[in-house]
Amino acid sequence: QSMLTQPPSVSGAPGQRVTISCSGSISNIGTGYDVHWYQHLPGTAPKLLIYGDNNRPSGVPERFSGSKSGTSASLAITGLQAEDEADYYCQSYDNSLSGSVFGTGTRVTVL
Amino acid sequence: QVQLQQWGATVLKPSETLSLTCAVYGGSFRNYYWSWIRQAPGKGLEWIGEINYSGSTKYIPSLKSRISISVDTSKNQVSLKLSPATAADTAVYYCARGITLTPGGGDAFDVWGQGTLVTVSS
Repeated sequence: QSMLTQPPSVSGAPGQRVTISCSGSISNIGTGYDVHWYQHLPGTAPKLLIYGDNNRPSGVPERFSGSKSGTSASLAITGLQAEDEADYYCQSYDNSLSGSVFGTGTRVTVL
Repeated sequence: QVQLQQWGATVLKPSETLSLTCAVYGGSFRNYYWSWIRQAPGKGLEWIGEINYSGSTKYIPSLKSRISISVDTSKNQVSLKLSPATAADTAVYYCARGITLTPGGGDAFDVWGQGTLVTVSS
């Protein structure tokens, strides 16, 4: 029942640029709530990658960037590396739920 | 460096109570919301509820009749109870710190527990 929709998978060769979309609605992203992104490797806890639409926490490489427009947001990875192979989730606040909501998740594969 | 350590029963029978605790070490407990987030096998992340220092809670509507999150401020601990548990509650459960990093509204989760796989099976 996720209210944020992501593509199930994206792939790219090393060095390429990939983007992951996150489609929401007027009750979450469209209201202007922040969008955050997480990287999730199997067997580990998710890691905050982007906060507040387009800000990187300390230690996150510059090749990760975020953007938002209207009811959607995007995560871009430039200069794709093998270590970027993981699941990625967007997250925002939803005022109809009165709580946080995660995207459906996207598996990034490095070819 | 803030760390979250979680523990609880990992195998349950249907109708029993799922119970997990999350302890916060090395940082402020008072100024944040503390959430529980789960991931069922083969599924995505799902936020299920949160609590703050004062005990104010929010829950996902689909679990409202079965979920309870509480706080023990003397121990800097947050607890999750889900009753009665069903097979659909089988998941890895994470506790996480919610933090407001920008004025835009809506917390990000910047510190996570290690995760606990809870299996509900007869």
